[in-house]
Amino acid sequence: AQTVTQSQPEMSVQEAETVTLSCTYDTSESDYYLFWYKQPPSRQMILVIRQEAYKQQNATENRFSVNFQKAAKSFSLKISDSQLGDAAMYFCAYRGETSYDKVIFGPGTSLSVIP
Amino acid sequence: DAGVIQSPRHEVTEMGQEVTLRCKPISGHNSLFWYRQTMMRGLELLIYFNNNVPIDDSGMPEDRFSAKMPNASFSTLKIQPSEPRDSAVYFCASSFGGYNEQFFGPGTRLTVL
Repeated sequence: AQTVTQSQPEMSVQEAETVTLSCTYDTSESDYYLFWYKQPPSRQMILVIRQEAYKQQNATENRFSVNFQKAAKSFSLKISDSQLGDAAMYFCAYRGETSYDKVIFGPGTSLSVIP
Repeated sequence: DAGVIQSPRHEVTEMGQEVTLRCKPISGHNSLFWYRQTMMRGLELLIYFNNNVPIDDSGMPEDRFSAKMPNASFSTLKIQPSEPRDSAVYFCASSFGGYNEQFFGPGTRLTVL
């Protein structure tokens, strides 16, 4: 069975600095999708970025980028120029290729941004 | 599109009462998921549907929980009878299989007294 691990329950970063959140996963599949979701205090789950396993190029969305290492089964999220609004819970998630594959979420990392 | 719609946003009830949570997925999406989130257990998948058919309900905690999806635009999660340990935030999410990311509703905060 697939698993997703986030080894950092809490992280903090100074405003305008860069922070990297770690995620590892376990799967025997070759094709799959990986996601980072953000959950601010409003509790709304928001998709931050996604990565298709067949793509070697790391996904980027503005200040958010990933470091996808398929062989190592690692999928870290880098937030550049951190802003106060980035403070939230961040969840790493895995989903298999087909519609019948459920999404597996990690336990989350709570990110604090220090002014 | 209005996104995934959940109702009610907040529900307070007494132990033993029946609770029904509702979800309207994004039009065109063919997968629907029900999650429960608590501080202790994090985000748990309860059940998911594909094309209105339940695919995996192994996350449903016990027989007190049931979910239905009578058509592509509506789903319910029912708890009968409710217990204080059911207090949590319940999320509904939908996705289109080929695109895969899930879009979450705002959640229903359930409190069982």
